[in-house]
Amino acid sequence: SQQGEEDPQALSIQEGENATMNCSYKTSINNLQWYRQNSGRGLVHLILIRSNEREKHSGRLRVTLDTSKKSSSLLITASRAADTASYFCATVVNNAGNMLTFGGGTRLMVKP
Amino acid sequence: SQTIHQWPATLVQPVGSPLSLECTVEGTSNPNLYWYRQAAGRGLQLLFYSVGIGQISSEVPQNLSASRPQDRQFILSSKKLLLSDSGFYLCAWDGQAWDYGYTFGSGTRLTVV
Repeated sequence: SQQGEEDPQALSIQEGENATMNCSYKTSINNLQWYRQNSGRGLVHLILIRSNEREKHSGRLRVTLDTSKKSSSLLITASRAADTASYFCATVVNNAGNMLTFGGGTRLMVKP
Repeated sequence: SQTIHQWPATLVQPVGSPLSLECTVEGTSNPNLYWYRQAAGRGLQLLFYSVGIGQISSEVPQNLSASRPQDRQFILSSKKLLLSDSGFYLCAWDGQAWDYGYTFGSGTRLTVV
């Protein structure tokens, strides 16, 4: 079963704009991770935020986590055409080892 | 550095035929390994995970099985494929730590015809 749900399912923006993707989950987590997948390829780990963290940055990426609302957001600033991909949130659930449960993803298209 | 290899990249198999997908990890020992399946335009569904040789846990009852014959080898199999087995299969390694992201293989696109 899916733990996370991304919103929106698809997003189309112009190059240079910011892209924001949201993720909601259902149960208590150890951490939440964001992954990127180019079409037909494997997933690439972008960033991990622990349950006791509220915000994390990596380059043009900013992730927030609100455990009271069971939600997270991924912000990509100054987007580029090369950012076109699907983005997935995934959670490590408490008392479930290190297994990742993925959401359905957001398909981002950045138009040049 | 650690790398994960997965093959073949694409596979077209007739219904009822057997399946064997292989995943190997380099640069680490006793890795935790995972098989996921991704339907077109969807998220990933965990199929199997393994914490060591001969140790397999199944998350979803299905027409597939997994084996861990060697420390760094994880195999996904089926005796008789169904049309519903079509999808994108991904092997992953979790870096052996709670706060470490997964490393994924490049995936196998399986089409059952």
